[in-house]
Amino acid sequence: SSELTQDPAVSVALGQTVRITCQGDSLRPYSASWYQQKPGQAPLLVIYDGNNRPSGIPDRFSGSDSGNTASLTISGPQAEDEADYYCSSRDTSGSHLVFGGGTKLTVL
Amino acid sequence: HLQLQESGPGLVKPSETLSLTCTVSGDSITDSRRSYYGWIRQAPGKGLDWIANIHYSGRTYFNPSLKSRVAISIDTSKKQFSVRLSSVTAEDTAIYYCLYSSAWYYFDYWGQGTLATVSS
Repeated sequence: SSELTQDPAVSVALGQTVRITCQGDSLRPYSASWYQQKPGQAPLLVIYDGNNRPSGIPDRFSGSDSGNTASLTISGPQAEDEADYYCSSRDTSGSHLVFGGGTKLTVL
Repeated sequence: HLQLQESGPGLVKPSETLSLTCTVSGDSITDSRRSYYGWIRQAPGKGLDWIANIHYSGRTYFNPSLKSRVAISIDTSKKQFSVRLSSVTAEDTAIYYCLYSSAWYYFDYWGQGTLATVSS
């Protein structure tokens, strides 16, 4: 098993670029996926397999992997992007799924 | 348009078994392109906690910390899949989400979630 670590909170000025990171040993062999969760709503997949966007997700969302760190970048975040963001990946065994603790993004 | 709807008791007594069912509509539950089904929970004010997944073929994946208490099954004829969590405690109080995806390790379709409270 393995753990994924995220910063609890990040803030960004409207229109600036923000990077949310996720660290863990399992990110060396496996790519991360990212979910956005707004209050009272189910999570929404925004990035899968490292850098793929599902249909309907704005292209201001992008993902990348480097070593044991995965990043979600939001280029020019909008007010509606204020939410909790969770990373996930397979654990080091490849047979289980793990989540990061989440990052609360505030758009100022 | 694919939709998932969880159903189950909102209240369960400690030591009993929590049973939840997810009904899929708007798509074929045997479509091999979208053939993984699963459950995730979220305790109030907390993060996401993966429970288990099942492939339409029956292959299963479990959170090792819950595996001894979890059973997951699928009924393609009813377009439903279910999870059972035994010997529940207050720590199992959470919103339970059902999921449907083309891979077992990420989830592109979520139900709205159902709150299950464990209390006597």
